[in-house]
Amino acid sequence: ETGVTQTPRHLVMGMTNKKSLKCEQHLGHNAMYWYKQSAKKPLELMFVYNFKEQTENNSVPSRFSPECPNSSHLFLHLHTLQPEDSALYLCASSQEIAYEQYFGPGTRLTVT
Amino acid sequence: AQSVSQHNHHVILSEAASLELGCNYSYGGTVNLFWYVQYPGQHLQLLLKYFSGDPLVKGIKGFEAEFIKSKFSFNLRKPSVQWSDTAEYFCAVTPNYGGATNKLIFGTGTLLAVQP
Repeated sequence: ETGVTQTPRHLVMGMTNKKSLKCEQHLGHNAMYWYKQSAKKPLELMFVYNFKEQTENNSVPSRFSPECPNSSHLFLHLHTLQPEDSALYLCASSQEIAYEQYFGPGTRLTVT
Repeated sequence: AQSVSQHNHHVILSEAASLELGCNYSYGGTVNLFWYVQYPGQHLQLLLKYFSGDPLVKGIKGFEAEFIKSKFSFNLRKPSVQWSDTAEYFCAVTPNYGGATNKLIFGTGTLLAVQP
């Protein structure tokens, strides 16, 4: 399999649930990213990891917790989310920071 | 704060019409510039990029973009659109000042609908 994969593709969760989003890149890249895509708003960068180290946390609430165990895998752990967190969550990777990014298909999250 | 503006939010064209989508950014230093496209039901894909050199860059599917530094612009063009170009187009900018904290700043996107 090539490119950037994300699982699950769709997720419905209640506000008291705990769930995790998974991202895997098969491109040998060193940087990975989480974005939030909401209707009528620009893509919002959430987190950046470079060589497994977090280099950017864009003022994201603590109910979103990222984890990067290695350069190929990135997780987003979710707990006690709010309905306004419903969105498409995109993972991306790039060879180096500031290079072009390759995106996964996203996880469509609905918080009820 | 750095920002990217895409002034056309929704564009409707007939097949064979010419396309130009505007993109302006607010950062005054060296930048890397990108256009991404998202076809219906698909993920974001890179259309073209500019890092340095010839300010007129050519991408996939007949698209091109011109970097005009004095105008802080990176407009996307295609001489003759096809129905299959129906998609959402995003301009993005990365300030290129080195270090590990550069981040991609996206515009709000332009939804292009091409009528057959």
